[in-house]
Amino acid sequence: GNSVTQMEGPVTLSEEAFLTINCTYTATGYPSLFWYVQYPGEGLQLLLKATKADDKGSNKGFEATYRKETTSFHLEKGSVQVSDSAVYFCALSGLGNFNKFYFGSGTKLNVKP
Amino acid sequence: DGGITQSPKYLFRKEGQNVTLSCEQNLNHDAMYWYRQDPGQGLRLIYYSQIVNDFQKGDIAEGYSVSREKKESFPLTVTSAQKNPTAFYLCASNLGAGELFFGEGSRLTVL
Repeated sequence: GNSVTQMEGPVTLSEEAFLTINCTYTATGYPSLFWYVQYPGEGLQLLLKATKADDKGSNKGFEATYRKETTSFHLEKGSVQVSDSAVYFCALSGLGNFNKFYFGSGTKLNVKP
Repeated sequence: DGGITQSPKYLFRKEGQNVTLSCEQNLNHDAMYWYRQDPGQGLRLIYYSQIVNDFQKGDIAEGYSVSREKKESFPLTVTSAQKNPTAFYLCASNLGAGELFFGEGSRLTVL
């Protein structure tokens, strides 16, 4: 079946550290891949996306590359800030005749000053 | 500005009561969705609707009901049959194969 697996959190980093949050997926076909961010008590916001293999999504200093050969879409940022503290969700969609989204369980990021 | 509006933001329910969560969008999106989020968990799909007057059960539809009488609106009713309704509820919409847009969420607590 289709699924998304994310690294478990929480991830705790100091400000200006390098961030990687791993995401791998299982899918029959060629899904689109997304990263969403959720701040406390709020809904999810799209952070970035990639719709085909080797595409790189980027936004606000975050990047992720769609790797078909390793079925991965790892999120990276070169220098995190305290304001990046949130929960990050990896997701896929675009399979079958219904645009169902499959979400990972989320990874909480804590950035300390 | 276009977006999705959920109300109320916080809701308290006594056991045995039905409650309805509102979701309105002005994005002109065809599809709308309801998700449930429990602490430390991912999102689970309750119901979705791809067009007006049509909706489908998601993965955890038991104890919930929806309607889609207008393109802009997709209210969710949490019925007394839902045994563990305390959760954060998220409404979303999208157009075609595009990304989901989410509302700010409604937190339901059973007293």
